[in-house]
Parts: sequence; structure tokens; C-alpha cells
Amino acid sequence: NAGVTQTPKFRVLKTGQSMTLLCAQDMNHEYMYWYRQDPGMGLRLIHYSVGEGTTAKGEVPDGYNVSRLKKQNFLLGLESAAPSQTSVYFCASTQLAGEQYFGPGTRLTVT
Amino acid sequence: AQTVTQSQPEMSVQEAETVTLSCTYDTSENNYYLFWYKQPPSRQMILVIRQEAYKQQNATENRFSVNFQKAAKSFSLKISDSQLGDTAMYFCACAELTGNQFYFGTGTSLTVIP
Repeated sequence: NAGVTQTPKFRVLKTGQSMTLLCAQDMNHEYMYWYRQDPGMGLRLIHYSVGEGTTAKGEVPDGYNVSRLKKQNFLLGLESAAPSQTSVYFCASTQLAGEQYFGPGTRLTVT
Repeated sequence: AQTVTQSQPEMSVQEAETVTLSCTYDTSENNYYLFWYKQPPSRQMILVIRQEAYKQQNATENRFSVNFQKAAKSFSLKISDSQLGDTAMYFCACAELTGNQFYFGTGTSLTVIP
């Protein structure tokens, strides 16, 4: 039982490049989330999903897209990376009214 | 939208002493849950304690306990017998049942001094 895993753990991008972060969970959770964590700002919700095939915008969705084609996977895409997207990205999953289980995080640097 | 406020960016405590971290939240929902998460230098987010809003009794988990004041929308975390391993960033979070969105505070960095 791996819980929530994220790929990759680290990445450096040049401005304008694209990439996809993969989140996978093996707990059969319905809800999945992508957050970014920046110093002094806590965790801010980018996008989330309440089930397979559904996604919704969170607090800071601009510049990001997501997809949830399979229940266990939640992908976060950056189409054209910007330095402002330098951050640590966390994926999480949960059932309704349950605690969130977090992945280990992805540190992304955009130069 | 909900807001969660942690007004203490940094705190320190002597080993074996007790410390209380503050959290206030704002929600119009009647059904919600509150959490404290710990983030050590490893960056992994770890659940410390959870409280259901409909329960009046304060949650406890070993050395960790909360003071939940629903009317005041306050949810503080008390750490007793502080240990060096408690050094971490602590985040307060509130989750509404509608939509199951979680809202996090900006965190309190706790340092336990030997």
C-alpha cells in the first residue's frame, strides 16, 4: 500500500516549457487535490476532483490544467511554465469527511 | 469561501514544556471538520489530530489535544511534554462537507529547544 505517490520529486524547467506532474493513489479515494506551497502562504488549492472524469478550479488555477481519466490518477499540467510557478506542489486524496493523505511533494523550479 | 487564520508565524518551546498553537476559522457551514497537520523538514504532511464540528468533546491524541470553541470559531492545538521531534511547521485546516474542499492556514513554525 503506497498511499499517495507523486512523479517527479524534483524538476527544473525553462520559462515556456511544459510538463505534467503525476499523482497516483491506491486507496480508492474519490476526491483528489493539487496544492502549491509557497513560503508564508501555506497550501493553496490549484484544482481538485470529486470523482473520475470530473475536475474543478480551486483558489489559484491560472496557468494550470488537470485531468482525471482514471480514479487513481490526477495529472497536473503546466502548458507554458513561468517563474511565478516555482513552488512545491502537493497532491492529496481523501474520502468524504476523511483526512487528506498527501504525497511527498514535487519541487519545481522555473528559470 | 472559508478562511483559516494562524496568527503566530513562529513559536518556540523548551523541551518537556507545553505549547499552544492558535487557529481561527470562518465558515458558514454547519457541518465541517477541523484538522492539524504537521510538516517536518522532510516536507511530508502528517495528520496530527482531527475534530468533527458536531462533537462537543475536544479531540486528544497522546500528547496532542485541541481546544475547540465552536461559537468563537477557534481551534487551538496544545502539545504537552514537547519533544525535539515536534519541531515542524504546523498547519490548521478546515474542511466543508459540501464539495469536500480543505482550507489551510499559513502555518506556524514551531521549534523545540533542547
